[in-house]
Amino acid sequence: DSGVTQTPKHLITATGQRVTLRCSPRSGDLSVYWYQQSLDQGLQFLIQYYNGEERAKGNILERFSAQQFPDLHSELNLSSLELGDSALYFCASSLGSSGNTIYFGEGSWLTVV
Amino acid sequence: DQQVKQNSPSLSVQEGRISILNCDYTNSMFDYFLWYKKYPAEGPTFLISISSIKDKNEDGRFTVFLNKSAKHLSLHIVPSQPGDSAVYFCAASAGGTSYGKLTFGQGTILTVHP
Repeated sequence: DSGVTQTPKHLITATGQRVTLRCSPRSGDLSVYWYQQSLDQGLQFLIQYYNGEERAKGNILERFSAQQFPDLHSELNLSSLELGDSALYFCASSLGSSGNTIYFGEGSWLTVV
Repeated sequence: DQQVKQNSPSLSVQEGRISILNCDYTNSMFDYFLWYKKYPAEGPTFLISISSIKDKNEDGRFTVFLNKSAKHLSLHIVPSQPGDSAVYFCAASAGGTSYGKLTFGQGTILTVHP
C-alpha cells in the first residue's frame, strides 16, 4: 500500500459524458501527479500540482482539467469523453516538487462505451 | 518519439539467477532515473532510483547501473525470486520543474521460474 488513495477504482460511462477522478496523496506529500496508461501509449504524464498550484504539464487534452485543493487532495476532470479516453488513470504523490520518490496509487479504470 | 526505450518486451530467468533489465534513453536532459515494478491491476511500485551524478546504486537485491555516455541503464536483481515476476518499467526525469514529469519505457515482463 503506497498510501495514495484513488476513487473510484472502476468507472463505466458513455461517450460525451463527464467524470471526476479523485486522489488523496500520502500524508505530508505536497505534490500530486496524474498519469494515464493506455494500451497503445503506455504510461503518460498528464499534469503535476504542488501545494495547490500547477507545476508541470504534459500531453493533457484540453477536455481534461485538474486541480489540487487546500487539503491537498486532487481531482482530475474528464469531459466530452470519447472511446479513446478509456484507460487506467494513476495518481501519484511525492513530498516535494523534486528529488523525492514518487509513489503511485492503484489507479482508476475508466471505460467509455 | 519514444525517449525511453525498453527493447526487451519479456525476460525469463530461473530462480536464484541474475535478472538484468535494460533501458535506453535519448534525451540528454534526463538526469534522474527510476525503476518501478507493476503487478496487473495495481499501481507502479517504486524500486530504486539513480541520479546522473552516480553510476551505480544498490538496495538489497536490486542494483541500478547508469552509463551516461551510452545513455543506458540497467537493473540487476540478484538472486531472482518467483515473487519478482512482474512488469518492470524504467522512467526518466529531466529534473528541476520537470522532475515529476516522468517519461516511462514500455515495460519488460519478467518471469522468474521456480
